[in-house]
Amino acid sequence: NAGVTQTPKFRVLKTGQSMTLLCAQDMNHEYMYWYRQDPGMGLRLIHYSVGEGTTAKGEVPDGYNVSRLKKQNFLLGLESAAPSQTSVYFCASTDGPLPQHFGDGTRLSIL
Amino acid sequence: SQQGEEDPQALSIQEGENATMNCSYKTSINNLQWYRQNSGRGLVHLILIRSNEREKHSGRLRVTLDTSKKSSSLLITASRAADTASYFCATDFKAAGNKLTFGGGTRVLVKP
Repeated sequence: NAGVTQTPKFRVLKTGQSMTLLCAQDMNHEYMYWYRQDPGMGLRLIHYSVGEGTTAKGEVPDGYNVSRLKKQNFLLGLESAAPSQTSVYFCASTDGPLPQHFGDGTRLSIL
Repeated sequence: SQQGEEDPQALSIQEGENATMNCSYKTSINNLQWYRQNSGRGLVHLILIRSNEREKHSGRLRVTLDTSKKSSSLLITASRAADTASYFCATDFKAAGNKLTFGGGTRVLVKP
């Protein structure tokens, strides 16, 4: 039972490049979330989904897009990467009620 | 802005000692949770306390909640080197999506 799997684990981008981060969960959870974690800080919610085909904005959505075409997958896209998006990105899922189950993160550096 | 603020930001103790960390929040909540994050890993859920509960135990963990003061504390008793990690509180509200708002975390170092 893999739980929540994030790919890739590490990536270095140049400013202006685009990329997609993939989150996959095998627990049949309805709710999925994307967070970013900056040094010495807690997690901030970027976007989330309450079910297949739905997405909603979180606290810091600017510069990111998401899609939930399949229940088990939640994709986070950066259309034109900026240095301010250098961070560690975490995906989480839950079937409600809480708690949330987290992946191990994607470490993204933008030069 | 973050809902939860944690205190202290960092804590260093000897193995066998107790570790206490606090979380304060700003608005009324449904539940408050504590998570642990080991270096380079994702967050792992430790314990959830509901707004109508005052204290909860799980193994060596004890969580208290004071809704009048909008604060919670996490106590780890008889700490072990393996307890070295960052600890985060997270709150949720009566809103759609089971969204959580995280505090900034407490980094705990347990020295053998």
